[in-house]
Amino acid sequence: NAGVTQTPKFQVLKTGQSMTLQCAQDMNHNSMYWYRQDPGMGLRLIYYSASEGTTDKGEVPNGYNVSRLNKREFSLRLESAAPSQTSVYFCASSKIPGQPNEQFFGPGTRLTVL
Amino acid sequence: GQSLEQPSEVTAVEGAIVQINCTYQTSGFYGLSWYQQHDGGAPTFLSYNALDGLEETGRFSSFLSRSDSYGYLLLQELQMKDSASYFCAVRDPVGDSNYQLIWGAGTKLIIKP
Repeated sequence: NAGVTQTPKFQVLKTGQSMTLQCAQDMNHNSMYWYRQDPGMGLRLIYYSASEGTTDKGEVPNGYNVSRLNKREFSLRLESAAPSQTSVYFCASSKIPGQPNEQFFGPGTRLTVL
Repeated sequence: GQSLEQPSEVTAVEGAIVQINCTYQTSGFYGLSWYQQHDGGAPTFLSYNALDGLEETGRFSSFLSRSDSYGYLLLQELQMKDSASYFCAVRDPVGDSNYQLIWGAGTKLIIKP
């Protein structure tokens, strides 16, 4: 089992460019999450998907969109990147909808927006 | 509002015991989780307390007191590899937060030889 995988691992964008961060999990988990982590800070939830077919906003959704493609995959899109979106992005999953306490994280994508 | 407070940094000596505290203020409460994150790595789940008391997993233990809105992570026989950031997180089932965790800002644990 690979667990939670994310691509790419690193990315540099120019202001205004768009990109999609990919996330997949092979643990048959129902819920998936996208977080951002800025240097020296905790995790902030961008969007989550409690189960296949549903997505909801988290704490900091502005400037992002998500797609729950199927049960395995949950992508995050930046339509017009801004320097304020420079961060490390983590995807996570948890087994049971409504029980987010134990989450499994991917290795992260380190994004720099110039 | 919803908030979690934990110390920003704790320093301890290899082989010693250290306690990392977390106090929370939320509308509701469905459990306190702890995660470990090494520099450059991803958070990994350590423990979860839904009820009052102490949960032990090897060298790590986690405690919860719901009446005090307080919990702690206890690390025993500290090893250099325990140098990492530790995050507490609470599930608040009220309103739109039912499927989310509310995260603390993290405690950086520095271990000296």
